[in-house]
Amino acid sequence: RKEVEQDPGPFNVPEGATVAFNCTYSNSASQSFFWYRQDCRKEPKLLMSVYSSGNEDGRFTAQLNRASQYISLLIRDSKLSDSATYLCVVNLGNAGGTSYGKLTFGQGTILTVHP
Amino acid sequence: NAGVTQTPKFRVLKTGQSMTLLCAQDMNHEYMYWYRQDPGMGLRLIHYSVGEGTTAKGEVPDGYNVSRLKKQNFLLGLESAAPSQTSVYFCASSYSATVNTEAFFGQGTRLTVV
Repeated sequence: RKEVEQDPGPFNVPEGATVAFNCTYSNSASQSFFWYRQDCRKEPKLLMSVYSSGNEDGRFTAQLNRASQYISLLIRDSKLSDSATYLCVVNLGNAGGTSYGKLTFGQGTILTVHP
Repeated sequence: NAGVTQTPKFRVLKTGQSMTLLCAQDMNHEYMYWYRQDPGMGLRLIHYSVGEGTTAKGEVPDGYNVSRLKKQNFLLGLESAAPSQTSVYFCASSYSATVNTEAFFGQGTRLTVV
């Protein structure tokens, strides 16, 4: 089983749509969680951290369910500029034992927003 | 404001040749990572380092070696390149491994092994 799994999509949605991405992780000791965005042929960049209580940044909402080892990202009112690959990322932090500090990525979910 | 710099940006190698990819960060980060990215596979961790003088294996370490002799530099070596190592390589660094610490990436190295 992969440590971090995402639905690769692709998701193809019209402008203004709401779209949700899901991610599951296998190591219950994981300590921190993120969503990164990667544009075509560019490096990944942090979109937002994911907090236990859930958090929102404008049109983006991230949620974490530790019991189910599940992370989600909701994008409301999609824009053309939201087209990218969204990467779910998990950090074992200092609970990783021999994997201390290990930062693991999911395979990414491709989003295309069309007019 | 350099951040994370990877050298070189592009390289073509012949099978069996060796090379070293350099990653340099100027943010005084403790943690550094090397990933490879292949179509449909996402970013896979090759090796990482939690501080100067330390290294650890990631998900796909075979065929690669790393060194972290200086805090700001993390080198990735290919001892005998194979076509299966054709990929885009990304280096990243972060301040720590504690909660919600952002990782910063270099712009990537596109490596082709023929």
